[in-house]
Amino acid sequence: QKEVEQNSGPLSVPEGAIASLNCTYSDRGSQSFFWYRQYSGKSPELIMFIYSNGDKEDGRFTAQLNKASQYVSLLIRDSQPSDSATYLCAAFTSGTYKYIFGTGTRLKVLA
Amino acid sequence: DTGVSQNPRHKITKRGQNVTFRCDPISEHNRLYWYRQTLGQGPEFLTYFQNEAQLEKSRLLSDRFSAERPKGSFSTLEIQRTEQGDSAMYLCATYRGGNTEAFFGQGTRLTVV
Repeated sequence: QKEVEQNSGPLSVPEGAIASLNCTYSDRGSQSFFWYRQYSGKSPELIMFIYSNGDKEDGRFTAQLNKASQYVSLLIRDSQPSDSATYLCAAFTSGTYKYIFGTGTRLKVLA
Repeated sequence: DTGVSQNPRHKITKRGQNVTFRCDPISEHNRLYWYRQTLGQGPEFLTYFQNEAQLEKSRLLSDRFSAERPKGSFSTLEIQRTEQGDSAMYLCATYRGGNTEAFFGQGTRLTVV
C-alpha cells in the first residue's frame, strides 16, 4: 500500500462546476497535508495546506481533513479551464521530516 | 517565483557522463530536500539536509548519487555514470519548520541519451 494514495484520473468537470479531489494516507503520524498544483513540465506550486480536522477555505479552494478516516480532500469551486492541471497531495510527518507525495490526480476543466 | 532557485533548468547528457545540479534555497530555510519526479508520478523523496547535515537518504539514491550542502546554504546533487533510467525532473524544496509548506524550485529536467 502506498503511503499517500490518489486517483490518477483524469477527472473531467465542466467549467463552473465543483471539482472534488481526494487523497488518503496510511501513516497516522502524518500531521500536515498539502495540496500542490502542477502544470505539465513545471514544478509543483502550493495551493494550500491543512493540519487541523475540518475545513479550510481560501478563495475558490477548500481543503478538508478527517484524521480519523485518514482522508484529505480539495474542493475547487467555479472551476476554470486554467485549473486544468495535476493536483498532488502530500503528507508531512514531523517525526521523519519528510513530505510524501501521492501520484497526483489529473483534472480537466472543460470549457 | 518561490525564491528557491535551481540550475540548470535543462540538462541533456550522454549515458555514462557525470552531471551536477545546484539548488539555492530561501535563506532562512534550514531544511532542504531533493526529490525526483518521472512522468505520471508524484515527486519521490531522495534525501534531505538540516543545515549542512544530510539526515536521510532514500534507498532510491544509489551509490552513483551524492548530495552535499556545504555551510548549510546551497546544495548540489551529483549523478555519476548516468543511465537512461536517471532521466527525470529533479526537484529541490526548502522548508522553514513547523506546520509550514515546502517551497519548490523550478526543477532540473535531465535527459540521458
